[in-house]
Amino acid sequence: SAVISQKPSRDICQRGTSLTIQCQVDSQVTMMFWYRQQPGQSLTLIATANQGSEATYESGFVIDKFPISRPNLTFSTLTVSNMSPEDSSIYLCSVAGGSSGANVLTFGAGSRLTVL
Amino acid sequence: QQQVKQSPQSLIVQKGGISIINCAYENTAFDYFPWYQQFPGKGPALLIAIRPDVSEKKEGRFTISFNKSAKQFSLHIMDSQPGDSATYFCAAGPVNKLTFGTGTQLKVEL
Repeated sequence: SAVISQKPSRDICQRGTSLTIQCQVDSQVTMMFWYRQQPGQSLTLIATANQGSEATYESGFVIDKFPISRPNLTFSTLTVSNMSPEDSSIYLCSVAGGSSGANVLTFGAGSRLTVL
Repeated sequence: QQQVKQSPQSLIVQKGGISIINCAYENTAFDYFPWYQQFPGKGPALLIAIRPDVSEKKEGRFTISFNKSAKQFSLHIMDSQPGDSATYFCAAGPVNKLTFGTGTQLKVEL
């Protein structure tokens, strides 16, 4: 299956700042996604990162708060903007396609953000 | 958003016992039903998945039972081991828009 590397693995941020999370995949993949996992909670899809075009956001998530880039088939970034303590979560990059297979969703290890 | 209801929230099983986790979904258009295992500090890892055209799938000690008419599916872990202690998430949907259950914390005791 695809190997996904996320950076940073964890960070502590100050309220009002922004942080960019990077996701690198070891093979070209058709689909890349960003999920959020709040403390002790389930996973919620934030958006689909579309290569060469604007991301597709799920209800409750907006581009101004979570801008996403996907310049090629192996890389994406998620920025959490103007952070507040409510943004403290694990942010997970996931992919489908490529060496994982089109019908399998593979997750990275996640980026654990704590906002003070 | 379509819900996926998962139960129980937590489960304690003796070593060698059977762990059973249940999920129910609403949207009959869902066509992919995976189970993920997550250890602390790690991302979710795909454990086993099923499509709605079969009623059961087994991989080693892990079995998914699927009831299309009831819109329910369950994970059975046979001969549960302490190493199985983790959080388990069910999910449903198309792979590009999965809806996840709330998770079950499984603890397997010696």
